[in-house]
Amino acid sequence: EVQLVESGGGLVQPGGSPRLSCAASGFTFSSYDMHWVRQATGKGLEWVSAIGTAGDTYYPGSVKGRFTISRENAKNSLYLQMNSLRAGDTAVYYCARGRGSGWYFDYWGQGTLVTVSS
Amino acid sequence: QSALTQPASVSGSPGQSITISCTGTSGDVGSYNFVSWYQQHPGTAPKLMIYEANKRPSGISNRFSGSKSGNTASLTISGLQAEDEADYYCCSYTGRNTGVFGGGTKLTVL
Repeated sequence: EVQLVESGGGLVQPGGSPRLSCAASGFTFSSYDMHWVRQATGKGLEWVSAIGTAGDTYYPGSVKGRFTISRENAKNSLYLQMNSLRAGDTAVYYCARGRGSGWYFDYWGQGTLVTVSS
Repeated sequence: QSALTQPASVSGSPGQSITISCTGTSGDVGSYNFVSWYQQHPGTAPKLMIYEANKRPSGISNRFSGSKSGNTASLTISGLQAEDEADYYCCSYTGRNTGVFGGGTKLTVL
């Protein structure tokens, strides 16, 4: 059974730099693209970052230069290093397994809430 | 990259059919068949319902179908059931391994 479990969320001060983790199981982690998607409370989904099987990374303009996605295949783990956080980054952050051939997300974690507030 | 445009809400009675539209541009929906749809019930993670515009993952009811024409993709749910009440999001590939979601549509089953 595919499982994705995020951790690392919590209350963060503006300007803070938390790192989120996603523990994957039930599939060959190294063979899949992985993504982070976020959702502010009561708002829609926003794609945040992607990492390919070769470690290539991609970001939308809203987080480029502040967020860094990485993976550690030996530990079946995905990470999101977030820097210079601001109130607008407050959201539930989901990790999702990508299907590169069609660019869609077939499995999602339960999410971890990051609240940016002083 | 601007979010894809979806109606904020749609509604229908049990047994009826509804369609949710997702309008993008020639740079996203219009250029790729890589449109996917997700269902999200309150407090839960999104669930994949349609991928590559019109394909259903294993285990998804054939009451759900997708289509695309030009810059607009659509999700149709036939034979509406109470459990279909949820938020629905479209997503399109925008090139260079990047993508964009729609703003979401709240489906109410009357």
